[in-house]
Amino acid sequence: AQSVAQPEDQVNVAEGNPLTVKCTYSVSGNPYLFWYVQYPNRGLQFLLKYITGDNLVKGSYGFEAEFNKSQTSFHLKKPSALVSDSALYFCAVLGGSQGNLIFGKGTKLSVKP
Amino acid sequence: ETGVTQSPTHLIKTRGQQVTLRCSSQSGHNTVSWYQQALGQGPQFIFQYYREEENGRGNFPPRFSGLQFPNYSSELNVNALELDDSALYLCASSLDQVYNEQFFGPGTRLTVL
Repeated sequence: AQSVAQPEDQVNVAEGNPLTVKCTYSVSGNPYLFWYVQYPNRGLQFLLKYITGDNLVKGSYGFEAEFNKSQTSFHLKKPSALVSDSALYFCAVLGGSQGNLIFGKGTKLSVKP
Repeated sequence: ETGVTQSPTHLIKTRGQQVTLRCSSQSGHNTVSWYQQALGQGPQFIFQYYREEENGRGNFPPRFSGLQFPNYSSELNVNALELDDSALYLCASSLDQVYNEQFFGPGTRLTVL
């Protein structure tokens, strides 16, 4: 069965520092991976996806993610964190032929000034 | 182009009651998926509709049912509400291709007392 794991419940970063939010996956076949962000009392916003191609995927708001097949990871990164990046981040994998997403538990990112 | 909208924003029901949640898809999207997000968890897939037909279902009992209308708006119905049904219910729309990103609405917060 397809699954993703987000090993950190919370990540704390100082503003201006690089950030990484970790995600590992377990799939049979090719992985189709996504990152979403959720602000308080809001729905999820799409950040980026990996379907095929370059291992470094660029997305919205300056975020990028690195697909690593050997480590079965898809970590989210940003070179310089902003306080406004503070939110809940979800990694997801495409679960089936109908396109349902299977989400991790989420990682709370806190960026301090 | 309007985004995904959901109504109502909040809802309080008692055990045993029935509830209907509504979702309006993003313009041009013909696929809608429903997710349940319990507090502190990632969203869990309930089911998906594609062109008015159920296209896949997660591990939810039959008392969770849905509809998609010709204009691609959708309803989620839950019968015989249980306390554990308390959650944020998210609707997401997408184009018909499996690998396209899903666009989420702000959600309906359901509280069952």
